[in-house]
Amino acid sequence: SQQGEEDPQALSIQEGENATMNCSYKTSINNLQWYRQNSGRGLVHLILIRSNEREKHSGRLRVTLDTSKKSSSLLITASRAADTASYFCATSNTGNQFYFGTGTSLTVIP
Amino acid sequence: EPEVTQTPSHQVTQMGQEVILRCVPISNHLYFYWYRQILGQKVEFLVSFYNNEISEKSEIFDDQFSVERPDGSNFTLKIRSTKLEDSAMYFCASSEASIRQGAWETQYFGPGTRLLVL
Repeated sequence: SQQGEEDPQALSIQEGENATMNCSYKTSINNLQWYRQNSGRGLVHLILIRSNEREKHSGRLRVTLDTSKKSSSLLITASRAADTASYFCATSNTGNQFYFGTGTSLTVIP
Repeated sequence: EPEVTQTPSHQVTQMGQEVILRCVPISNHLYFYWYRQILGQKVEFLVSFYNNEISEKSEIFDDQFSVERPDGSNFTLKIRSTKLEDSAMYFCASSEASIRQGAWETQYFGPGTRLLVL
């Protein structure tokens, strides 16, 4: 299975702190994307990193990709209460389908 | 900003009944997808659709499922005879181009339809 696995499963931090979530996968990928899901809602695309990239930034988000270790991390800096959500990584190799991980549930305490 | 929309937001049905879930993808997108997420579990791929035909499907997408693009805007998922285990959140997504074309494009997801089979 190519499915990603995020860790930790749950993370609770104070507002203003940084949050780091990790994703590991099993097979080679073309690209990896991170999505956010608020409780009971749809998936919101956050950031895409290509297999030939090592790091990418978007606002308060920083994503790294280590294809040798088959892992990625998502860093949210200066967290806010509104960042409270579940975060998923999604990978794909040659097909159109995404393989989602189990997600990290992030709680940011005001 | 354009977005994928889905209707209904919630659907309750009796086991054995047919349901049709509707999606309106982003207008200039060419590829369409259905995913499902059983409560507390991973988001799972069901099917992708391009040029009026299925391009990929997962093991979950058996003969009970079908997809259709009945007109220029809607994309539907039909479950012919629902089972209890079909209860889940169903997400539609669309993208501009497929990975196979060498152009990775983000899949934009709708808000989902929560299906409950009793």
